[in-house]
Amino acid sequence: GNSVTQMEGPVTLSEEAFLTINCTYTATGYPSLFWYVQYPGEGLQLLLKATKADDKGSNKGFEATYRKETTSFHLEKGSVQVSDSAVYFCALSDQGQAGTALIFGKGTTLSVSS
Amino acid sequence: DGGITQSPKYLFRKEGQNVTLSCEQNLNHDAMYWYRQDPGQGLRLIYYSQIVNDFQKGDIAEGYSVSREKKESFPLTVTSAQKNPTAFYLCASSIGLGGQGAWPQHFGDGTRLSIL
Repeated sequence: GNSVTQMEGPVTLSEEAFLTINCTYTATGYPSLFWYVQYPGEGLQLLLKATKADDKGSNKGFEATYRKETTSFHLEKGSVQVSDSAVYFCALSDQGQAGTALIFGKGTTLSVSS
Repeated sequence: DGGITQSPKYLFRKEGQNVTLSCEQNLNHDAMYWYRQDPGQGLRLIYYSQIVNDFQKGDIAEGYSVSREKKESFPLTVTSAQKNPTAFYLCASSIGLGGQGAWPQHFGDGTRLSIL
């Protein structure tokens, strides 16, 4: 079956540090991949997405590249800010299977200090 | 502005009581979802609906029920059969389900349910 595995947190960084949050997936079909962010006490917001191999999604300085050969979709940001502190979720949608919902990883908590 | 509205933001339940969580969307989305979020466990799918008058069980449907009488609304009832209901509940919607393209989900701000 389909699944998503994220690196366990928490990830603790100083402001302006480089961020990588690892995400790998298994899928039987043709997945689209997503990163969501959740700020304290709120719902999830879509951060970026990629729909086919070698696509790069980007938003607000965050980037992730869909790597089919390594089944990965790692999230990166060159210089984090305190306001980036949140929980980040990797997710996949199997385009080859109609009627299926998104599958989420367990989330990675990021804490950025000034 | 279009979006998803969940109410109430906080809800308290007594032992043996059923409670209903509201979810309304004005995005004209066909698909809607309910998730449960517990610390360290990410999101777990309770129920989802692809279209009006149709819904499917997710991974943890026991102790929950839903209805989809209108496209805009997908209420979740937490029944007394759910023995550990304390959690953060998130409702979401999307244009469609997998197999139709890369449909991201849009989320409400959640309802936090606690047991008195």
